Amino acid sequence: GEDVEQSLFLSVREGDSSVINCTYTDSSSTYLYWYKQEPGAGLQLLTYIFSNMDMKQDQRLTVLLNKKDKHLSLRIADTQTGDSAIYFCAESKTGANNLFFGTGTRLTVIP
Amino acid sequence: GAGVSQSPSNKVTEKGKDVELRCDPISGHTALYWYRQSLGQGLEFLIYFQGNSAPDKSGLPSDRFSAERTGGSVSTLTIQRTQQEDSAVYLCASSFGQGSGELFFGEGSRLTVL
Repeated sequence: GEDVEQSLFLSVREGDSSVINCTYTDSSSTYLYWYKQEPGAGLQLLTYIFSNMDMKQDQRLTVLLNKKDKHLSLRIADTQTGDSAIYFCAESKTGANNLFFGTGTRLTVIP
Repeated sequence: GAGVSQSPSNKVTEKGKDVELRCDPISGHTALYWYRQSLGQGLEFLIYFQGNSAPDKSGLPSDRFSAERTGGSVSTLTIQRTQQEDSAVYLCASSFGQGSGELFFGEGSRLTVL
């Protein structure tokens, strides 16, 4: 993930909001994604945003995209213990076959 | 099967031995990816297969790594003469095709090289 950067850890109290941040470097990215990895499981797509949008909301999830700063965030409202997982930011680039993933942010929700 | 299946789930081997990791993608998915997940390193792209096209091997870290996909379905990732730095979780994913951002991942094969 040299192109996509995330902080490694985040702890929040149950019921609070969580904000997971990501920075990317390629301005030609077409889509940006958030994947969730629960312990012992594979990654699952949580949500995505097209590069010409600046916000997307899906129930408790809000994705914000600042193209000028190449910054993507995922806000989880009313965080629950079941939200504890590793969250990966990923970008797709024009002409590339694969997704470029960040290092992942391990979210720990404290009861 | 309903999801991407990988085997073995855990593999412990001695340095210098060869290992094979298997991935059975979701039926009908034409694209198949291998990634490597190391502690604190995120996901590292290894190789991509799309239908009958030549694979994109641009992510393979050395010539000790190779992969094949037989009949457009099952894929095998082979690591020859394993080294300790090969220890990681190897993740396979499949999707409907290139450009589809929803990759469906297996649970991974955890490789430990002693």
